[in-house]
Amino acid sequence: DSGVTQTPKHLITATGQRVTLRCSPRSGDLSVYWYQQSLDQGLQFLIQYYNGEERAKGNILERFSAQQFPDLHSELNLSSLELGDSALYFCASSIDRDVYYNEQFFGPGTRLTVL
Amino acid sequence: DQQVKQNSPSLSVQEGRISILNCDYTNSMFDYFLWYKKYPAEGPTFLISISSIKDKNEDGRFTVFLNKSAKHLSLHIVPSQPGDSAVYFCAARWSNYKLTFGKGTLLTVNP
Repeated sequence: DSGVTQTPKHLITATGQRVTLRCSPRSGDLSVYWYQQSLDQGLQFLIQYYNGEERAKGNILERFSAQQFPDLHSELNLSSLELGDSALYFCASSIDRDVYYNEQFFGPGTRLTVL
Repeated sequence: DQQVKQNSPSLSVQEGRISILNCDYTNSMFDYFLWYKKYPAEGPTFLISISSIKDKNEDGRFTVFLNKSAKHLSLHIVPSQPGDSAVYFCAARWSNYKLTFGKGTLLTVNP
C-alpha cells in the first residue's frame, strides 16, 4: 500500500459526459501528479500540482483540467469524453521539499471506460 | 516523439537466471533515471534509481547500469524469482520534475 488513494476504482460512462477522478496523496506529500495509461502506451504525464499550484504540464488535453485543494487532495476533471479517453488514470504523490528528486508514490489507479 | 524507449515488450526467463531489461533514451538533458515495477490492478511501485553522474547502482538483487554515451540503461535482476513477474517501466526525469516513462516490458519468470 503506497498510501496514495484514488476513487473511484472503476468508472463507466458515455461519450460526451464529464467525470471527476479523485486522489488523496500520502500524508505530508505536497506534490500530486496525474498520469494516463492507454492500451499499449506507457504512462503519459498529464499535470503536476505542488501545494495547490500548477507546477508542470504534460500532454493534457484542453478538455481535461485538474486542481489541488487546500487539504492537498486533487481532482482530475475530464469533460466531453471520447472513446479514446478510455484508460487507466494514475495519481502519484511526492514530498518535493527540496531540489533533489523525491520518489513518486503511485495510487492504484482509476479505470475509465467510455462507451 | 518517444524520448524513453523500451524496445522489448516482453521477456521470459527461468527462475534463478539473470533478467536484463533495457531502456534507451534520446534526451541528453535527463538527469535521473528510475525503474518502476507494476503488478496487475496496482499502481507502479518504485524499484531503483540512478543519477546521471553515476554508472551503476545496486540494491540487493537489482542493479541498474547507465551508459550515458550510448544513452542506454539496463536493469539486471539476479537471481530472478517468480514474484518478479510484472511489467517494468523505465522512467527519466528532466529538471522540471516530471517523469517520462517508457511503454514497459512484461517480465515473466518461469519456475
